[in-house]
Amino acid sequence: GENVEQHPSTLSVQEGDSAVIKCTYSDSASNYFPWYKQELGKRPQLIIDIRSNVGEKKDQRIAVTLNKTAKHFSLHITETQPEDSAVYFCAARNTGNQFYFGTGTSLTVIP
Amino acid sequence: EAGVAQSPRYKIIEKRQSVAFWCNPISGHATLYWYQQILGQGPKLLIQFQNNGVVDDSQLPKDRFSAERLKGVDSTLKIQPAKLEDSAVYLCASSYQNTAGIGGWTEAFFGQGTRLTVV
Repeated sequence: GENVEQHPSTLSVQEGDSAVIKCTYSDSASNYFPWYKQELGKRPQLIIDIRSNVGEKKDQRIAVTLNKTAKHFSLHITETQPEDSAVYFCAARNTGNQFYFGTGTSLTVIP
Repeated sequence: EAGVAQSPRYKIIEKRQSVAFWCNPISGHATLYWYQQILGQGPKLLIQFQNNGVVDDSQLPKDRFSAERLKGVDSTLKIQPAKLEDSAVYLCASSYQNTAGIGGWTEAFFGQGTRLTVV
């Protein structure tokens, strides 16, 4: 099955700085890569996604890049704010429509 | 639209007891997933249904876990007997197929989860 690795496991940044989280996947047939934000005690919620026919996608302060050849994708958050503090999960969806998740990155934005 | 509904929100049981979780996906979502999220880890797929059929249950510990989605809508996940290591949040998610993008399927929409503590 698919194996998704995520780094770093924890990340602390000063407010206003950028944060980058990186993931790799193993199944070259995976075709969709969502990123979820999970606040303490709450459900994971989609913040941005990218499909395999696109190399980059941006939504305001959040961007995602995908390198299909290297099988890795990254989340970039610019101008971080305290409310960005949460756990972020990357995921890869394979052709069977199964989602496999990374181990999560706990982001802390220091005011 | 209404989200994925799960109940109960919390459950505490003793080891070797049985427990069941219920999930009602978003209306019209043909695919339903159960995930296990152990504290500090990412969600791990237990089972995937497409309508009322099982698509993938390769990571479901079938000696103690079972799940069903009899009418292709609601689903229940059961653990019998529970072990200490089953303590986790059990997340239900659903997705549907549209005509946009490669594969045509949407992201997974998650419920609030059921936090299980086995003592």
